[in-house]
Amino acid sequence: EVQLVESGGGLFQPGGSVRLSCAVSGFTISNYFMHWVRQAPGKGLVWVSRVSADGSDTKYADSVKGRFTTSRDNAGNTVYLQMNSLRVEDTGVYYCVRLAEVPKWGPGTLVTVSS
Amino acid sequence: DIVMTQAPESLAVSLGERATINCKSSQSVLSTSINKNSLAWYQQKPGQPPKLLIYWASIRDSGVPDRFSGSGSGTDFTLTISSLQAEDVAMYYCQHYATTPITFGQGTRLEI
Repeated sequence: EVQLVESGGGLFQPGGSVRLSCAVSGFTISNYFMHWVRQAPGKGLVWVSRVSADGSDTKYADSVKGRFTTSRDNAGNTVYLQMNSLRVEDTGVYYCVRLAEVPKWGPGTLVTVSS
Repeated sequence: DIVMTQAPESLAVSLGERATINCKSSQSVLSTSINKNSLAWYQQKPGQPPKLLIYWASIRDSGVPDRFSGSGSGTDFTLTISSLQAEDVAMYYCQHYATTPITFGQGTRLEI
C-alpha cells in the first residue's frame, strides 16, 4: 500500500526555521519527482516546490523562493522541506505529493507561524 | 504559469440530481507525447486532505463511486456527479500537472 506521511509541523516564531519530512512507503521515490503543496486555513491549495527524481533539480513558488529548500534521501525513501525565515503567511497544512501515474497525497502536517 | 479557473464558485444541488463543475485552463494541458490531459479532480472535506477522484482528466481513482466522472480535453474540463448523495457535500478542486508550477482551481463549494 502506498503511504506518504509528513511530520515536523508545529508552532514556530516568525523568522524561525523548521524541516518537514515526508516518509514514503509502497513505492520507490527514486523513480519520481516529488512535490510539496500547502493550504492556508480556510483557503485553497497552492503548490510550493518540487524536486527531481535524483534531487539535482528543484523548483519553487515565488512566495518561498530563497527561503525554502526541498531535498530528498532516496536511500531512505524520504523527502524534505527546509523552511527558513518563516513568515506568518507560511501558516498552513503542508502536503507531500507524488503526481506521476496515479497522484498520491499524504495527510499533511500543520505549520503555524505566530509570535 | 497556467491559470485554472473553476465555475461556479458554489453550487447547490438537490439529492439525486446532477452536479456539474467546470474547469478551464489558460493553456492546453494535453501532453502530446502521451496523448493524455494532465488534469486531476479532488474532493476535500473539512479537516481532511484532498481526496483524488479523477486523474488524466477522465480516469476514476480506485474506490471512487461511478457517479463521479470527468471529461474534456485541451483547456476545458468537467466533473460530473450524476446523482448527488449527502456525502458528496465538499469542496472540489481541479489541478493541472502538465508543467511546473502545478496550479489549482480556486475551488467549488458543493452544497445540498
